[in-house]
Amino acid sequence: NAGVTQTPKFQVLKTGQSMTLQCAQDMNHEYMSWYRQDPGMGLRLIHYSVGAGITDQGEVPNGYNVSRSTTEDFPLRLLSAAPSQTSVYFCASSYRGAGAVNEQFFGPGTRLTVL
Amino acid sequence: GNSVTQMEGPVTLSEEAFLTINCTYTATGYPSLFWYVQYPGEGLQLLLKATKADDKGSNKGFEATYRKETTSFHLEKGSVQVSDSAVYFCALKYDTDKLIFGTGTRLQVFP
Repeated sequence: NAGVTQTPKFQVLKTGQSMTLQCAQDMNHEYMSWYRQDPGMGLRLIHYSVGAGITDQGEVPNGYNVSRSTTEDFPLRLLSAAPSQTSVYFCASSYRGAGAVNEQFFGPGTRLTVL
Repeated sequence: GNSVTQMEGPVTLSEEAFLTINCTYTATGYPSLFWYVQYPGEGLQLLLKATKADDKGSNKGFEATYRKETTSFHLEKGSVQVSDSAVYFCALKYDTDKLIFGTGTRLQVFP
């Protein structure tokens, strides 16, 4: 198992450019989520999905879009990048077994800089 | 609302010293509690967890006890190693799947 994979590892954008951060998992997990990590603020939830075709907003969704057409993939889109979106982005996934407290598995992260 | 507060870092220790990283939480209901660790340049890994009051999570010599009366989940290790140097995050789970994280505490262990 590759676990949770993210591409690219690093990205530099100019203000106003768009891009997609890729996330894939091969563990057949129903739940997937995107976080951003900023100094002194921990990780904050951007968007999440409880299964293919179902997405919802987290704590800081503005400026980001997501879709979930397959169980495996959960891309994060920045439509018009802003310097405030400079951050490290983590994708995570977990199983949703009833009654279980399930570990979230994290990808290695994408470091994004917006100039 | 739900929140997690953990002590500011960095925490700097000599090898074999005792470690405590404080974590307190605010939550409705009875959330599950977690400690995650992030090594340099990597994603987060689950270190330990506890699902109900008085549960003790443990892994790799680290321990934390779910204290409902003090709403705390402090992380402890009796003898740290240089390889324990990392950032440690306390987190709680709400709404079935969602995690809310503390701000993280950087631990630096010197030989």
